[in-house]
Amino acid sequence: GAVVSQHPSWVICKSGTSVKIECRSLDFQATTMFWYRQFPKQSLMLMATSNEGSKATYEQGVEKDKFLINHASLTLSTLTVTSAHPEDSSFYICSPKGLAGLETQYFGPGTRLLVL
Amino acid sequence: GQSLEQPSEVTAVEGAIVQINCTYQTSGFYGLSWYQQHDGGAPTFLSYNGLDGLEETGRFSSFLSRSDSYGYLLLQELQMKDSASYFCAVREKSGGSYIPTFGRGTSLIVHP
Repeated sequence: GAVVSQHPSWVICKSGTSVKIECRSLDFQATTMFWYRQFPKQSLMLMATSNEGSKATYEQGVEKDKFLINHASLTLSTLTVTSAHPEDSSFYICSPKGLAGLETQYFGPGTRLLVL
Repeated sequence: GQSLEQPSEVTAVEGAIVQINCTYQTSGFYGLSWYQQHDGGAPTFLSYNGLDGLEETGRFSSFLSRSDSYGYLLLQELQMKDSASYFCAVREKSGGSYIPTFGRGTSLIVHP
């Protein structure tokens, strides 16, 4: 399977600060990146979809000015949670996708964010 | 848009067989996938059905009936390590991308 890394794996921050999460696809070129958020005992909720070099498309209810996504290269995408609040505490997971194959979707190991 | 329904929890004993059902509603269907997620971990891909029928991968099988908008994941010879959440997911085409949507997940508890 594909190798995907996320950094950091967990982070604790104070309310009002910004947190940047990096997602790297290590062995294939990610033309598309999906960013998900998962609250405890709930499903993965798609936040946004980005294509390399383009602006991200955000799902309804997700604030684009709060969750900044950069997908400047085919191997790296970042999600920045700006002015984080306790309700942003969640498990954030990236899922890169290359050109080939619709069947398999790979996920990063996730980043657990706790905002105090 | 899409919606998926799957049971919230299933329990079974070691060595048994369990079936997790998934029904879906979607305006454009591009396959049904299944994922496993252990507590604290990320989802891992289990199987994909693009056409009707049964796909078998070791102890796991997945079935799809497009006319019934229904699929299931079958787990055989259950082991304790199979205790996890299982998600079905469908894809819908939006713009140039295939957007996956996940069900709410089924928590499988395997007892000794």
